[in-house]
Amino acid sequence: QVQLQESGPGLVKPSETLSLTCAVSGYSISSGYYWGWIRQPPGKGLEWIGSIYHSGSTYYNPSLKSRVTISVDTSKNQFSLKLSSVTAADTAVYYCARAPTRYFTHWGQGTLVTVSS
Amino acid sequence: AIRMTQSPSSLSASTGDRVTITCRASQGISSYLAWYQQKPGKAPKLLIYAASTLQSGVPSRFSGSGSGTDFTLTISCLQSEDFATYYCQQYYSYPREYTFGQGTKLEIK
Repeated sequence: QVQLQESGPGLVKPSETLSLTCAVSGYSISSGYYWGWIRQPPGKGLEWIGSIYHSGSTYYNPSLKSRVTISVDTSKNQFSLKLSSVTAADTAVYYCARAPTRYFTHWGQGTLVTVSS
Repeated sequence: AIRMTQSPSSLSASTGDRVTITCRASQGISSYLAWYQQKPGKAPKLLIYAASTLQSGVPSRFSGSGSGTDFTLTISCLQSEDFATYYCQQYYSYPREYTFGQGTKLEIK
């Protein structure tokens, strides 16, 4: 059974770069599928950040594209998110998820990242 | 960008009730629509994809319908575990774009 687990700092200072990793178990990323990041500000709705294909092709939300980088490390079976120049508006629970076809079937538990000095 | 609008934003109902949540897309998305359930402090859970196909393991009291721009999620006989927030998501422009509705919070009356 595939499992996803987010990890990274829970506190990031304004203007710095948020970095998160999603470790995947029970399935080899190199075998295929799309892998995505979604976030949810406290008390608000879901926002897709971007996705990466196992080969490395990336797709980003246009509203975040200038600040987002998603990469994959098949040797470690994980993929990562970097979001630069963060502000308080980037405070959210960040989820990683798998999209075997077109929708997200498996999600990590989420990790709260707070942007504050 | 495709915008997804859910209604209502919140809904109060009782166990045993039948409830319907609506999702409207700003442009036609065929049947490329999913519904998710999210409980407090938990990740979203996929309920329905392709507008009307039930994900494995999801109770049959959940159903979805619609195509084009207008979609509905129906829960035929509310159970206590169904009180949660529900989100629709379009994946018409997959993988370049995904958009979620703003959510519908289903509360106990």
